[in-house]
Amino acid sequence: AQTVTQSQPEMSVQEAETVTLSCTYDTSESDYYLFWYKQPPSRQMILVIRQEAYKQQNATENRFSVNFQKAAKSFSLKISDSQRGDAAMYFCAYRVYGGATNKLIFGTGTLLAVQP
Amino acid sequence: EAQVTQNPRYLITVTGKKLTVTCSQNMNHEYMSWYRQDPGLGLRQIYYSMNVEVTDKGDVPEGYKVSRKEKRNFPLILESPSPNQTSLYFCASSLSADRVEQYFGPGTRLTVT
Repeated sequence: AQTVTQSQPEMSVQEAETVTLSCTYDTSESDYYLFWYKQPPSRQMILVIRQEAYKQQNATENRFSVNFQKAAKSFSLKISDSQRGDAAMYFCAYRVYGGATNKLIFGTGTLLAVQP
Repeated sequence: EAQVTQNPRYLITVTGKKLTVTCSQNMNHEYMSWYRQDPGLGLRQIYYSMNVEVTDKGDVPEGYKVSRKEKRNFPLILESPSPNQTSLYFCASSLSADRVEQYFGPGTRLTVT
């Protein structure tokens, strides 16, 4: 069974600094998707970034980028120039490629605090 | 505006009193699902539906029922709620099961006393 592990329950970063959130996963599949979702205090689930496993290039969305290490089954999120609005719970998630259920498997989350 | 709506957003109830949390999407999506979010556990899938009248269990279906009589609606039914069903519930939808883009509802905070 696929699993997603986030080993950092809480993280803190100073405004304008860079922070990296860790995620590892376990799967026997070769094709899959990985995601980072942001959950601010409003509780809304917001997709931050997505990575297809067959793509070697790391995904980037403005200040957010990932370090995807397929062999190590690692998928970390880097937030550059952190802003107060980045304070939120961040979930790493996995989805098998071509899956019939479109089920997302989530990690336990990392709560990010942004200090002024 | 394309969206997934859930009602109610907050609910406090007592053990054993049947309740329904509604989920509706206006995007003509075939696939819909329910997740629950618990501290230290992340989100886990409860039930999903591939299309009208087609539903199946997710990872944590015990104590829940669903129905899909119309394409836009996918209600979650707790026939006899218990305190261990106190959780944050999310509905999600996608155009079809093989489409990666999923849209989440705003969440429903349920407390069962």
